[in-house]
Amino acid sequence: GQQVQQSPASLVLQEGENAELQCNFSTSLNSMQWFYQRPEGSLVSLFYNPSGTKQSGRLTSTTVIKERRSSLHISSSQITDSGTYLCAMNTGGADRLTFGKGTQLIIQP
Amino acid sequence: DPKIIQKPKYLVAVTGSEKILICEQYLGHNAMYWYRQSAKKPLEFMFSYSYQKLMDNQTASSRFQPQSSKKNHLDLQITALKPDDSATYFCASSRPGLGGRYEQYFGPGTRLTVL
Repeated sequence: GQQVQQSPASLVLQEGENAELQCNFSTSLNSMQWFYQRPEGSLVSLFYNPSGTKQSGRLTSTTVIKERRSSLHISSSQITDSGTYLCAMNTGGADRLTFGKGTQLIIQP
Repeated sequence: DPKIIQKPKYLVAVTGSEKILICEQYLGHNAMYWYRQSAKKPLEFMFSYSYQKLMDNQTASSRFQPQSSKKNHLDLQITALKPDDSATYFCASSRPGLGGRYEQYFGPGTRLTVL
């Protein structure tokens, strides 16, 4: 089954609203990362967040290892935040990342 | 300046041909990876290398062969191309260490289309 579940699959907001993206893992994890995939396809690493809360500007990531979940909060969304947000986890002894299917975020003016 | 370079950005190939995807990183990392993103599928891991040695392989087909000529290079040779190989191929790198101890950084990708 799907090891990394992202929700919602898509989200449409008005500019200025806050966004909450979720990532749930079916197995225990060593670490996880959040990525932003630009409309043209390139990936930007937003957070490497094995546990706890990290903040960067308007973005906040919170990972709770024992609950096997991570969230990405975007405050005061902007049109340029539109794109696909991916979470990925690392488990076991290998370095491979296992990705979710992503959340497509659309910010409207 | 881009820290991970992938060449070419776009690649069109005919079925049955062979192509090499180039990846160079200038982050000083010793671990490098290949991932693939097909249409409507999640990004999926293919290979990982550490200090130029294969560490992990999730690709069943021997048509996909990574090649590491220098420690900051990890190319991907694909032979006998099929239309199903059409995807965007991402190279990534990190400091070496098992168990996801270090953040992975991704290149811009090579979009391969096989006709």
